[in-house]
Amino acid sequence: ETGVTQTPRHLVMGMTNKKSLKCEQHLGHNAMYWYKQSAKKPLELMFVYSLEERVENNSVPSRFSPECPNSSHLFLHLHTLQPEDSALYLCASSPQARSGYTFGSGTRLTVV
Amino acid sequence: GENVEQHPSTLSVQEGDSAVIKCTYSDSASNYFPWYKQELGKRPQLIIDIRSNVGEKKDQRIAVTLNKTAKHFSLHITETQPEDSAVYFCAALGGTGGGADGLTFGKGTHLIIQP
Repeated sequence: ETGVTQTPRHLVMGMTNKKSLKCEQHLGHNAMYWYKQSAKKPLELMFVYSLEERVENNSVPSRFSPECPNSSHLFLHLHTLQPEDSALYLCASSPQARSGYTFGSGTRLTVV
Repeated sequence: GENVEQHPSTLSVQEGDSAVIKCTYSDSASNYFPWYKQELGKRPQLIIDIRSNVGEKKDQRIAVTLNKTAKHFSLHITETQPEDSAVYFCAALGGTGGGADGLTFGKGTHLIIQP
């Protein structure tokens, strides 16, 4: 483990379900991020939190809702997803803005 | 916003030869350029990074070069080994400052080391 833990590792959900992805870091980092990784596409930035405040949204559909209750935890709440939302969702953290990330192992999401 | 282009998408080299992966970026204010390695089924891992006040950085068999004027940077791997086989991503961080910024990634290069 790198210090960034994501759960669950795999998730299959129907389009009408509501689920949440969890990310936890014990590195003392101040910034946390959600990225989406799809086949043959670059890693897509979804959300950025710095000191628990969201600073970037990147026009993500409202069916994805982030939550950062404290500097160590980050959630991604999912509802009424579409099959094209199936992807690997990666959480990352960094000591501060403008420095290298440590990634979690990701949650492999399949929407059926 | 920032746009990062990465080439080639697939690179096959003989074991022991060198590999070079190139990236260009669009935002002249970008000032941080990391490279990540992602093995199959695993998380991306930072392997080397460079900031805009430096033109080259080396770490054993890995080196990164940066040309700010041309807005491109490259990853060089020498004496390639089978364990170097992976997908490599370049990234750039915009220089807008103020608060957190997210890295913009290239599409990745699948590096294959032929025995």
